[in-house]
Amino acid sequence: QMTLKESGPTLMKPTQTLTLTCSFSGFSLRTSGVGVGWIRQPPGKALEWLALIYWNDDKRYSPSLKSRLTITKDTSKNQVVLTMTNLDPVDTGTYFCVYSPPPGTILTYWGQGTLVTVSS
Amino acid sequence: QTVVTQEPSFSVSPGGTVTLTCGLSSGSVSSSHYPSWYQQTPGQAPRTLIYSTNYRSSGVPDRFSGSILGNKAALTITGAQADDQSDYYCVVYIPSSRNWVFGGGTKLTVL
Repeated sequence: QMTLKESGPTLMKPTQTLTLTCSFSGFSLRTSGVGVGWIRQPPGKALEWLALIYWNDDKRYSPSLKSRLTITKDTSKNQVVLTMTNLDPVDTGTYFCVYSPPPGTILTYWGQGTLVTVSS
Repeated sequence: QTVVTQEPSFSVSPGGTVTLTCGLSSGSVSSSHYPSWYQQTPGQAPRTLIYSTNYRSSGVPDRFSGSILGNKAALTITGAQADDQSDYYCVVYIPSSRNWVFGGGTKLTVL
């Protein structure tokens, strides 16, 4: 059974850097074609895809946020980390991690999400 | 900038059929975009209903079906039930840039 769980700070200040960790089980990022990504959702608003990292360390980012995002993986720990720099209150929302099965074109299993509030 | 369009809201009577659509600002949605559909209730993570146009995720009732209708992806709910009242999101995969774009979501009311 595949599970994903997000963790990280719940309250951040503007201009700070956010680091979120996705811990997963039931699959391996050593498997060809597998990916793990991040999606966010501001309160009351739509989902927004942020980034995804593949088994071979290929990384994809949302064009509108690319300059602020970094996604990395630790295969031995079954974790994927997302960092977002220069936070703003508009970055407030729930951040979800998601599994992408081979060949890496769909997003299927979701974590429960973690709420991050950015406020001074 | 690719924009994915969805109806902001829709209403269906219990037992009725409703089709939600998912379009692309830059042209047609096709199977090459691997459109997926998600159902989300307040405070919950999205649940995958349909992936790769028309494949139902495990445990999803067969009253949910996906297709391409004209130039859009479509989610059809046949025999709507009260607990289908949710927000529905589509996402498309953009092969040229290998990223994903979500639609703005459709709030479905069953009454």
